[in-house]
Amino acid sequence: DAKTTQPNSMESNEEEPVHLPCNHSTISGTDYIHWYRQLPSQGPEYVIHGLTSNVNNRMASLAIAEDRKSSTLILHRATLRDAAVYYCILRDGGWGAQKLVFGQGTRLTINP
Amino acid sequence: SAVISQKPSRDICQRGTSLTIQCQVDSQVTMMFWYRQQPGQSLTLIATANQGSEATYESGFVIDKFPISRPNLTFSTLTVSNMSPEDSSIYLCSVEKAGGGSYGYTFGSGTRLTVV
Repeated sequence: DAKTTQPNSMESNEEEPVHLPCNHSTISGTDYIHWYRQLPSQGPEYVIHGLTSNVNNRMASLAIAEDRKSSTLILHRATLRDAAVYYCILRDGGWGAQKLVFGQGTRLTINP
Repeated sequence: SAVISQKPSRDICQRGTSLTIQCQVDSQVTMMFWYRQQPGQSLTLIATANQGSEATYESGFVIDKFPISRPNLTFSTLTVSNMSPEDSSIYLCSVEKAGGGSYGYTFGSGTRLTVV
């Protein structure tokens, strides 16, 4: 299973942008980059995913490096409710559901 | 995305007993995934449950300890057998709406198990 590397923790202030980095130097050409977050006492929640191009949705943006060896999850304006553990995961692009292998993730703290 | 109902949400069990956790999905899915999250840790995949065949277990997990049923495309159960305090964890099920990586995965809200 391809692996990802994330900082253990990050801290930011409310209403400021947050950039969460992820390194995945062994990514294969068919791996999708998925991001999930886990709020306290809840199951993981899908945030965003991409393959090669940058992606935007209502929750966040995903910036993917040209060589795909790293990516950055961008929260444009953090709120206290964004405090969570964020997981960057590579999902094999093969057809049929593929297992997700979780790393330790980044614990994001938002200061008021 | 799919909606998952997971039961029970929490339980306190005596050591040596077994607990069966249910996972119901509102749409048909080929594979369902079962995870364990030990206190303060990340999620660890226990097994993949494919309808019509035996579950595929990850290294360190065995069928005798974590038997899984998958009777149809919308339902699965995970049993934690002969429990010990070390089994105290959150257990979660997960599905992917469609294959190919082009959709996100949905997770149940988890079952918080405490073994005393």
